[in-house]
Amino acid sequence: DIQMTQSPSSLSASVGDRVTITCQASQDITNYLNWYQQKPGKAPKLLIYDASDLETGVPSRFSGSGSGTDFTFTISSLQPEDIATYYCQQFHNLPYTFGQGTKLEIK
Amino acid sequence: QVQLVQSGVEVRKPGTSVKVSCKASGYTFTNYGIMWVRQAPGQGLEWMGWISGYHGNTNYAQKFQGRVTMTTDASTSTAYMELRSLRSDDTAVYFCARVNPSALDHWGQGTQVTVSS
Repeated sequence: DIQMTQSPSSLSASVGDRVTITCQASQDITNYLNWYQQKPGKAPKLLIYDASDLETGVPSRFSGSGSGTDFTFTISSLQPEDIATYYCQQFHNLPYTFGQGTKLEIK
Repeated sequence: QVQLVQSGVEVRKPGTSVKVSCKASGYTFTNYGIMWVRQAPGQGLEWMGWISGYHGNTNYAQKFQGRVTMTTDASTSTAYMELRSLRSDDTAVYFCARVNPSALDHWGQGTQVTVSS
């Protein structure tokens, strides 16, 4: 199975800050990497697919980059409504494993 | 609009089974697969498996092999996930999600399954 390692596991930032989360795959997954946002008590929501494509309706302050084994998710200017846990998921090989999540809090 | 609506809260005793449904609307059911993901209390997301909406082919995570069965009913646009021989550590919220085609673009609201004696 492909292991997905996210860092950091938690993060505290101020409104307006640039926030970056990384996800590393244990083997090459080309660009089959997605990012999801999950708020407490809610289902996850797709933000970025295929490493860098923004899902329809998602604000442009969210972006993704990377290929191979190393990927980055960025919020260019943190907003209060962005408080959530973020997960990466690889879609290259079954089982389609998730990272352990990054909990984002407001400082 | 695409919607996935899941069945309600379930409480089961250890050793029994649960069957969760996921009714799709707003798209052609047979054109997309359905994945099942679970989340134990305070934990991350765990991939359980997926089923093709077209031919019903399945792939299950190794840890659930022999205990899980995923099915679909195209006539009602509904997917099902049955988990057997339940244990206390199966207590979790179970989600279905649409596969499009290399990401999960729409999710059900989740079904709480509690396993307790």
